Amino acid sequence: DAKTTQPNSMESNEEEPVHLPCNHSTISGTDYIHWYRQLPSQGPEYVIHGLTSNVNNRMASLAIAEDRKSSTLILHRATLRDAAVYYCILRGGNTPLVFGKGTRLSVIA
Amino acid sequence: NAGVTQTPKFRVLKTGQSMTLLCAQDMNHEYMYWYRQDPGMGLRLIHYSVGEGTTAKGEVPDGYNVSRLKKQNFLLGLESAAPSQTSVYFCASSYWAGAVGELFFGEGSRLTVL
Repeated sequence: DAKTTQPNSMESNEEEPVHLPCNHSTISGTDYIHWYRQLPSQGPEYVIHGLTSNVNNRMASLAIAEDRKSSTLILHRATLRDAAVYYCILRGGNTPLVFGKGTRLSVIA
Repeated sequence: NAGVTQTPKFRVLKTGQSMTLLCAQDMNHEYMYWYRQDPGMGLRLIHYSVGEGTTAKGEVPDGYNVSRLKKQNFLLGLESAAPSQTSVYFCASSYWAGAVGELFFGEGSRLTVL
């Protein structure tokens, strides 16, 4: 699997937007970009995924660069419940998910 | 729906003891996975299964065995536990194995080996 690079940690104020970056310069044409998050003491949960176009769902938005070498997960209005580790993962074909260390997001009230 | 259920949630073992972790899913998913997570680390894949009766090795399979006798269950066994196997174990399942498949995770099983 192609690798991703994420900052170790980020901070955000409550009720403000959060932009979580992910670099994946070696992405292949068939790799999808997945985001999962892991709340404290819980298993990871799916957030969003995309291939080329920007994607929106009820949890977040995913902005994908035109060259697909980077992407950004956008939480439009951070809440305390969004404090978690966010994982950016590339997935192609039938390979299982391979997790990196992710970005630990802290939300300040 | 219960989703993905792991039992037990906590267990303490002595070195050399054996145990089995059970993962059950009620979503009729074909694919199931066992991961381990050590403090401050991301998840690492131990073994996975692409269907009933099949298993495959992941990144860190040594010291573990698995079985998928029924579609809804995926068992992870430790034959002779070692302190290095102290970790939190997560099971996951998905309907698709392809690049768009979403994984559903259990709440984890915390294992301590003394």
